[in-house]
Amino acid sequence: EAGVTQSPTHLIKTRGQQATLRCSPISGHTSVYWYQQALGLGLQFLLWYDEGEERNRGNFPPRFSGRQFPNYSSELNVNALELEDSALYLCASDLRTGLMSSYEQYFGPGTRLTVT
Amino acid sequence: AQSVTQLDSHVSVSEGTPVLLRCNYSSSYSPSLFWYVQHPNKGLQLLLKYTSAATLVKGINGFEAEFKKSETSFHLTKPSAHMSDAAEYFCGNFNKFYFGSGTKLNVKP
Repeated sequence: EAGVTQSPTHLIKTRGQQATLRCSPISGHTSVYWYQQALGLGLQFLLWYDEGEERNRGNFPPRFSGRQFPNYSSELNVNALELEDSALYLCASDLRTGLMSSYEQYFGPGTRLTVT
Repeated sequence: AQSVTQLDSHVSVSEGTPVLLRCNYSSSYSPSLFWYVQHPNKGLQLLLKYTSAATLVKGINGFEAEFKKSETSFHLTKPSAHMSDAAEYFCGNFNKFYFGSGTKLNVKP
């Protein structure tokens, strides 16, 4: 069974540009989560999508946004990039039955975003 | 407000000795806690989870954690460290999608 996949592996952008990161969840998983892992700051929750809807977001500005497609894959968009957006962006998926989570998030390898 | 606190940023043990990685939680209701491991240049892997069932949770690779409500703790232990256990470990709370700051485990030969 294929795991969570993310693309691209690395992304280099300049300040002010936009970045688009993509994630494909494990087959059958309907929930996708995005996290930012910046150096020295640990993992910080960004966004949670389930069944195409944004269910929750972390303490990040609105220039961090995303969407989930009908096939449950997801896209994270970061507008007006700032130097401090440089980080590893991790996507995770889990299996939900209605409102109940399996409490087992499976993570992808991440996209390393560098803003210069 | 913080959901979990990992008490040590770095822990160093000798191979074959016990491992203890400490995590305290703060929650007004029954939390859903986890431990993940992240090996260098590899993805995060779930070690174990607590979701209000048995308080002693057994995970992969010989790790286990005990949920202690009286101490608001969820420490991760392993009886005997192996070189391959060297990695960064994250405690967290599923309810708030919160990850602790991480503990880097070093295993000396």
